[in-house]
Formats: sequence, C-alpha cells, structure tokens
Amino acid sequence: GENVEQHPSTLSVQEGDSAVIKCTYSDSASNYFPWYKQELGKRPQLIIDIRSNVGEKKDQRIAVTLNKTAKHFSLHITETQPEDSAVYFCAAVKMAGANNLFFGTGTRLTVIP
Amino acid sequence: ETGVTQSPTHLIKTRGQQVTLRCSSQSGHNTVSWYQQALGQGPQFIFQYYREEENGRGNFPPRFSGLQFPNYSSELNVNALELDDSALYLCASSAGQEIYGYTFGSGTRLTVV
Repeated sequence: GENVEQHPSTLSVQEGDSAVIKCTYSDSASNYFPWYKQELGKRPQLIIDIRSNVGEKKDQRIAVTLNKTAKHFSLHITETQPEDSAVYFCAAVKMAGANNLFFGTGTRLTVIP
Repeated sequence: ETGVTQSPTHLIKTRGQQVTLRCSSQSGHNTVSWYQQALGQGPQFIFQYYREEENGRGNFPPRFSGLQFPNYSSELNVNALELDDSALYLCASSAGQEIYGYTFGSGTRLTVV
C-alpha cells in the first residue's frame, strides 16, 4: 500500500511569515493529494487538494505544489495568522478503485502573534 | 447541521470490554469510512461501508467490525478492548465511492483503561 511521510512534525512561525509543510509518497500510481486541517478537538477539514494532472494549485493564502517525478508535494501558507494554528495532515491515494486515504503523521503548526 | 455526527464524543472502557460507536452520514452521502487516529498520528483506515456492505478493510483485526443501516448511518464495534485501542475514532461520509469530498465527523475519543 501507499506510505506517506510528512515533515516537519512541528513548526512555529511568526505571524505574517510563510509556512511550508512537505510530504513524500511511495506509490507512483497515486494521483490525488488532499490536505486536511484539524484544530484542537475538532474534525479534520479539507483545505485544498490537487490531482496529478497539475503541478500547482492556489486558493487565497494556501497553495499546494506537486512534483510527480520526485513523489513529493508541499503545502504553502503565506501571511500566516494565529487562526492558522492547527495540525495539518497530507494524504495520498490512487483514486481508481480506492476506498481510503493514506495519511501522513501530521504537522503541528503554531503561529506566534 | 446536516454534517457528519458521531456519538458518543467521549468514552471510557475497561480492557476486555466491548464498545459500539455510531456515525450519521451527511445528507446525500451513502458511503461511510472509519478511521482510527492514535495520539500524534494520522488517521488509519479501518474499513468502509457502501450501500450496507463492507467495501474494503485496512490492517485491523476481526474484533473490529461494523454495520451500515438503510439510512446510511453506521456503527463501529470493537470487541475485547485492548489498551492500544485508545484513540480518536473518526468516521467520514462521501457520496458514492468517491475519495474526494470526504466529510469527517468530530470523532469519538475512546480511552481504554
């Protein structure tokens, strides 16, 4: 099955700075890569996703980049705000016939005001 | 709210006991997936139910079992509880068997003592 590694496990940034979280995956057939944000005591929420037919996707302050050759993808958050503080999970899957996501171990992001 | 709801929110059980967790899927969703999230880890896939049938299973022993009802709500049953079963149990619903569009519930925090 797929194996997803995520780094760093913790990340602290000053408010207004950028944050980057990186994930690598093992199965070259994986073609869907979502990112989830989980605030303390709350449900994981999808914040952005990317499919393998594009290299980058952006939604306001959040962007995701994908390098299929290297089998890694990254989440970029610009102009960070205290409300960005949460645990972020990446995931990967080959969509055809898939019934589950393979998650990374998470990154705890703290934005210092 | 028409999102995914889980009950109970917290539960304490003794080793060897049995537990049933419940999940109501989001309106319009007929697929429910269950995940186990140990402390500091990403969610791990337990199994998925689609139209009342099990549709895929992760690396969990048979003492983890489930059901899906005609209204697409679902139960996760765990027999012979072990200390390592202590975790946050998340269910996610989706329409059809699509991987994208997962909507997670807030989870049930199970503590086994």
